[in-house]
Amino acid sequence: DSGVTQTPKHLITATGQRVTLRCSPRSGDLSVYWYQQSLDQGLQFLIQYYNGEERAKGNILERFSAQQFPDLHSELNLSSLELGDSALYFCASSPSGNYNEQFFGPGTRLTVL
Amino acid sequence: ILNVEQSPQSLHVQEGDSTNFTCSFPSSNFYALHWYRWETAKSPEALFVMTLNGDEKKKGRISATLNTKEGYSYLYIKGSQPEDSATYLCAFVNAGKSTFGDGTTLTVKP
Repeated sequence: DSGVTQTPKHLITATGQRVTLRCSPRSGDLSVYWYQQSLDQGLQFLIQYYNGEERAKGNILERFSAQQFPDLHSELNLSSLELGDSALYFCASSPSGNYNEQFFGPGTRLTVL
Repeated sequence: ILNVEQSPQSLHVQEGDSTNFTCSFPSSNFYALHWYRWETAKSPEALFVMTLNGDEKKKGRISATLNTKEGYSYLYIKGSQPEDSATYLCAFVNAGKSTFGDGTTLTVKP
């Protein structure tokens, strides 16, 4: 158990809908990262937040947005969902930045029908 | 687009064999290289964070070396055990963004 929690574990929804994935980092960690793993692609970095501020942005679609709240939990919002958004979404946390180990949560499996 | 390559794609060894795999990355604008171990149906687990040229890290039977000038890192497993069977991923970190390789899948036969 990494200490990072993600909810929900599974999510099934329809095209065009909007969903919110939630992540609680390890106690004391200030950075949160979001990753996507699709069937036909490897692990893709989406976005990083540090202490409430966006720090780095990867291949995140405009339909997706994220935020980190004052209590350091983070949410990833996915809207106008398409079939291709079906994937495993991981959240990870680290004490600060890129020189720290990242601890991954169990992931949220999103299925868009 | 950054290119991070791992080789080989897969590896089958016998219990007790020592093995190594490679992660190649751009040699410019290096910040850090992360190694992860990823077992089926689980989440990636951090092994090492490599930050300096010539850096060598060790954790039990697993070690890693780094050459930032030529853009590669090696991961070594000494005396492989069946429980080492997993996919080993590297991630090149640059300007805060992580770019992952496709991984090397290791299968250790008893």
